[in-house]
Amino acid sequence: AQKITQTQPGMFVQEKEAVTLDCTYDTSDQSYGLFWYKQPSSGEMIFLIYQGSYDEQNATEGRYSLNFQKARKSANLVISASQLGDSAMYFCAMREGPAMNYGGSQGNLIFGKGTKLSVKP
Amino acid sequence: DTGVSQNPRHKITKRGQNVTFRCDPISEHNRLYWYRQTLGQGPEFLTYFQNEAQLEKSRLLSDRFSAERPKGSFSTLEIQRTEQGDSAMYLCASSSRRNYYGYTFGSGTRLTVV
Repeated sequence: AQKITQTQPGMFVQEKEAVTLDCTYDTSDQSYGLFWYKQPSSGEMIFLIYQGSYDEQNATEGRYSLNFQKARKSANLVISASQLGDSAMYFCAMREGPAMNYGGSQGNLIFGKGTKLSVKP
Repeated sequence: DTGVSQNPRHKITKRGQNVTFRCDPISEHNRLYWYRQTLGQGPEFLTYFQNEAQLEKSRLLSDRFSAERPKGSFSTLEIQRTEQGDSAMYLCASSSRRNYYGYTFGSGTRLTVV
């Protein structure tokens, strides 16, 4: 069965420093997509970054990068130069099925339990 | 693109009452998803629609839950005879084949059953 594991319930980071949030996944599919979302206290899930299982390079989006290690089934999120506004819950999620490159996102997502990130001034 | 809109934002109801939530997706998105998120957990999939057709329902969606998406536009999620265990955040998301960044979520409806 598909599963996402986030082992860090909470993390602290000093403002302007980098932080890594861990995510491991389990799937028997060869084709899948991995997502990271940010959920501030307002409740909305904000998309951060996406990695397809066939993507050869790690995804990057501004201050966010995804450290994708396929053999270890890990997809860690790295936030560089943390800001106070980064304080929020962070969720790793997976979608099984055709990779986004070939058909867009159309299946449902499976989420981990999340990591609460607190950025200290 | 005005985003995914969910109403109401908060709902407090007495146990045994029926409640209905509404989700307005991004207009060109053909798929619409409902998720439930309890405290300290990640969202859990409930059901999704492609246009007006409900294609998949999770085992979490008991007989007291029903969802509709008439005409493939907005969707409603109804919970009948609410129980305290139904207290959660109900999130709606939409997606389309042309949306490279995947799913767009609404801000959710927080249900409290007292």
